[in-house]
Amino acid sequence: AQKVTQAQTEISVVEKEDVTLDCVYETRDTTYYLFWYKQPPSGELVFLIRRNSFDEQNEISGRYSWNFQKSTSSFNFTITASQVVDSAVYFCALSEEWYSGGGADGLTFGKGTHLIIQP
Amino acid sequence: GAGVSQSPSNKVTEKGKDVELRCDPISGHTALYWYRQSLGQGLEFLIYFQGNSAPDKSGLPSDRFSAERTGGSVSTLTIQRTQQEDSAVYLCASSPGTSSDTQYFGPGTRLTVL
Repeated sequence: AQKVTQAQTEISVVEKEDVTLDCVYETRDTTYYLFWYKQPPSGELVFLIRRNSFDEQNEISGRYSWNFQKSTSSFNFTITASQVVDSAVYFCALSEEWYSGGGADGLTFGKGTHLIIQP
Repeated sequence: GAGVSQSPSNKVTEKGKDVELRCDPISGHTALYWYRQSLGQGLEFLIYFQGNSAPDKSGLPSDRFSAERTGGSVSTLTIQRTQQEDSAVYLCASSPGTSSDTQYFGPGTRLTVL
């Protein structure tokens, strides 16, 4: 069965520091999708990125970057020059596609990492 | 365009009462999902609809939980004879097609069972 592990429960850094959030996943499928979501104090889950298992290229979006390594089953997220507005809980999630029409199990989420950016 | 909407935003009920939670997905999205977020269990997947049908209901926590979707749009999650352990935030998401597509989440319904 699929599993997502976010070993860091809480991280606290000072503004402008770089910070990396770790995500390790387990899956039996060769086709799968990885996601990161942000949950600010307001509570709504905000989509950040989707990556399929065949695309190992790293991605950068502004201050955000993602490092996908199939060899270590990891999909880590780095925030460069962190800001107070980045304070939130960040979730890594996995979706398998082992039904011909797509998976019917929804997303498997990690427990989340609470990121605190101190001014 | 409009995102996923859920109502009510907050619901307080007494143990043993039935509750109905509503989700209105993004227009045109055929797939709809229900999740539950609680302190102890994190984010749990409950059920998935493709159109009006739910291929797998095994994620529902008990037979007190049911969900339906009509007209390929609005969905309701019903909890009968609520228990205190049902207290959680219930999140709804929708995606254009299958679960491999990006899921967009609503603001959630916070359910408190007294």
